[in-house]
Amino acid sequence: DAGVIQSPRHEVTEMGQEVTLRCKPISGHDYLFWYRQTMMRGLELLIYFNNNVPIDDSGMPEDRFSAKMPNASFSTLKIQPSEPRDSAVYFCASTTGGGETQYFGPGTRLLVL
Amino acid sequence: SQQGEEDPQALSIQEGENATMNCSYKTSINNLQWYRQNSGRGLVHLILIRSNEREKHSGRLRVTLDTSKKSSSLLITASRAADTASYFCATVSNSGYALNFGKGTSLLVTP
Repeated sequence: DAGVIQSPRHEVTEMGQEVTLRCKPISGHDYLFWYRQTMMRGLELLIYFNNNVPIDDSGMPEDRFSAKMPNASFSTLKIQPSEPRDSAVYFCASTTGGGETQYFGPGTRLLVL
Repeated sequence: SQQGEEDPQALSIQEGENATMNCSYKTSINNLQWYRQNSGRGLVHLILIRSNEREKHSGRLRVTLDTSKKSSSLLITASRAADTASYFCATVSNSGYALNFGKGTSLLVTP
C-alpha cells in the first residue's frame, strides 16, 4: 500500500488567497483525521471523519476553514481566505476502527505571506 | 488542547546509552500511543498501550503506563544515531477517537 498521500507537499501563497489541501487515505480505512502542527501550539486536531461523515470539527479554527470528504478515498481541507497565521504543517491521517494506530501522511507545509 | 506533556523537552545522549522520556496526561484514556517524527517528516507510530496494560515491549522500545498517576514512559535501549527525532505521546480518550498530542521530546543521539 502507498500509505496516506497528501498534496501538495509544499504551498506558498499570499494572504487572501484560497488554499486547498488534499488527502488520500489508506484504502479500507474508515477514519480520516486532519491535524495541524505549529511550533507554538504543537499538533492539534482540526477535524475527523468516519465513513465520510464529519464527526468532530471543534478544532477548526474559524469559518475560513472547511473540510470535505466526498468519498472514501479523498478529502480536502480548504482555507479561504488564507492568513499568515495559517502557516503550519498540515497532516492527514487515517485508521480503521477508530482510536487505534493512525497512519500519517508526509504533510503539507503551508506558508502564507 | 494539549493532553499529554512530555518530559524532558530535549534530551541529548551518546550512542549505546538508553533514553527515557516521560509523558503525563490529564483525563481518563482508552489508550496511549507514542509516535516518532524525524525532522521535516510525518509521524510514525511506535507503540500503543491500552488503559488496562501496564507495560509493553517492541524491539528496543519499552513503554509503561500508570493510570493512577496518569503517566507513561518510553524507554529506548541501546540508542543509535538513527533514533534522533522528536517523540510524541498521544492519548485517546474514552469519548472520542482523535489523538491528543503532547509537545514532544526532542532526542539527539550522537555517535
